Amino acid sequence: DAGITQSPRHKVTETGTPVTLRCHQTENHRYMYWYRQDPGHGLRLIHYSYGVKDTDKGEVSDGYSVSRSKTEDFLLTLESATSSQTSVYFCATQRGEVNPYEQYFGPGTRLTVT
Amino acid sequence: QQQVKQSPQSLIVQKGGISIINCAYENTAFDYFPWYQQFPGKGPALLIAIRPDVSEKKEGRFTISFNKSAKQFSLHIMDSQPGDSATYFCAPREGARAGGTSYGKLTFGQGTILTVHP
Repeated sequence: DAGITQSPRHKVTETGTPVTLRCHQTENHRYMYWYRQDPGHGLRLIHYSYGVKDTDKGEVSDGYSVSRSKTEDFLLTLESATSSQTSVYFCATQRGEVNPYEQYFGPGTRLTVT
Repeated sequence: QQQVKQSPQSLIVQKGGISIINCAYENTAFDYFPWYQQFPGKGPALLIAIRPDVSEKKEGRFTISFNKSAKQFSLHIMDSQPGDSATYFCAPREGARAGGTSYGKLTFGQGTILTVHP
C-alpha cells in the first residue's frame, strides 16, 4: 500500500450533475494517473499528471478534466455526468521515470450515474 | 485499435495445477512488460515484470516468459493456490521510442479471471 486514498469510495449521482473524485498520496510520487475500469476493457487511462500543474490526456479523456495544485492531490472532474461514465475509477501513482516503473493503485471509487 | 490482447478471459484450475495467461502486443515501442494482480474490491498491484533483454524471469511460483520476435509474453503460475484466485492484467509500458505524450504509459490487457479450486 503506497499511501493512496480515494474519496468518495462510492457515489451515486444523476445525469447532468458535476462530480469530483479526489486522490491523495503520501509518498511524494511525481506521477499520478486516473483510470477507469469496465468489464471487458481492462483499465483505460483518462488523464495523468507528471508534476504540479502539469497534466495531459489519456485515451478516454472526453468528458473529464483534472487538476493538480499540490504534489499529493489529483482531482478528477466529470463536468456533466452521463450514464456512460458509470464505472470504477482508480487513481495510481509512480515514483518517477526510472526503473522500477511500478504504478501503485488506490482502492477505487465506484461511481453510478442514474 | 487494440494494442494488447490477453487470453484467456477466464481460467479455472485445480489446486496444485499450472495457470498460464498470455498477452500479445503490436506496439514495438513497449519496453517493459509487467503483470498486475487484482483481488475483488481492490486496486491492481504489480506482481512481476520483465525487461525485453531477457527471455524469462522467475519469482517464487510466478514466471514470465517473453518472446520478442513473436511479440508475446506470458505469466505462468506454478502450484496454483486458491489464494491466487484474482484477475490478472498484462500492462506493457511505452518506452522512449514511443515519443511524445505516449512515453511511460501502460496499456492494460482486458484481464483474465483466474479461479483456483481447492
